[in-house]
Amino acid sequence: AQSVSQHNHHVILSEAASLELGCNYSYGGTVNLFWYVQYPGQHLQLLLKYFSGDPLVKGIKGFEAEFIKSKFSFNLRKPSVQWSDTAEYFCAVNPILTGGGNKLTFGTGTQLKVEL
Amino acid sequence: ETGVTQTPRHLVMGMTNKKSLKCEQHLGHNAMYWYKQSAKKPLELMFVYNFKEQTENNSVPSRFSPECPNSSHLFLHLHTLQPEDSALYLCASSPKGYMELDTQYFGPGTRLTVL
Repeated sequence: AQSVSQHNHHVILSEAASLELGCNYSYGGTVNLFWYVQYPGQHLQLLLKYFSGDPLVKGIKGFEAEFIKSKFSFNLRKPSVQWSDTAEYFCAVNPILTGGGNKLTFGTGTQLKVEL
Repeated sequence: ETGVTQTPRHLVMGMTNKKSLKCEQHLGHNAMYWYKQSAKKPLELMFVYNFKEQTENNSVPSRFSPECPNSSHLFLHLHTLQPEDSALYLCASSPKGYMELDTQYFGPGTRLTVL
């Protein structure tokens, strides 16, 4: 079975600090990759996704992620975080399998707290 | 706001109660999903409906019973739950159907507490 690892469970940063959240997955084939964010009291929303093409993907709110196939990684980055980025961040993987369906495997999430 | 709504937002029930969770989307999406989000665990896919037909049951206990009467509505019927079933239950939908790999759009969830 596929698995997704988010090694940082809790991250605390000061405003303007740079952010990198790790995501590694176990599936060896072709994948679609996602980062979702859940702000306090709000629903999960898509931050960015990778399906194919340029492995450096830009998302909303200044976030980007880089797909490194050889490392099975899809790390999320932001050069300068804001207090409003305080949220929980989830990496998700959809392995492309014949007849496999649109089935997401999620990581356990990383809780980011940005301090003023 | 993704266009996927869920009611109720909070639910407290006893182990002998019967209740239902409702999910609604008017986005014209063809696949709908139920997920369970427990503390410190990854989101777990429970059920998938593709064009109103159930296509996935991820080994979910029978005390959870899904229903999809039409393409816009999805229910999760609950009966004789256990305290360990307390969690956030999320509904999602995707545009093209389950066999098309695509973004899933999530509702706000129902926070369920089983006493």
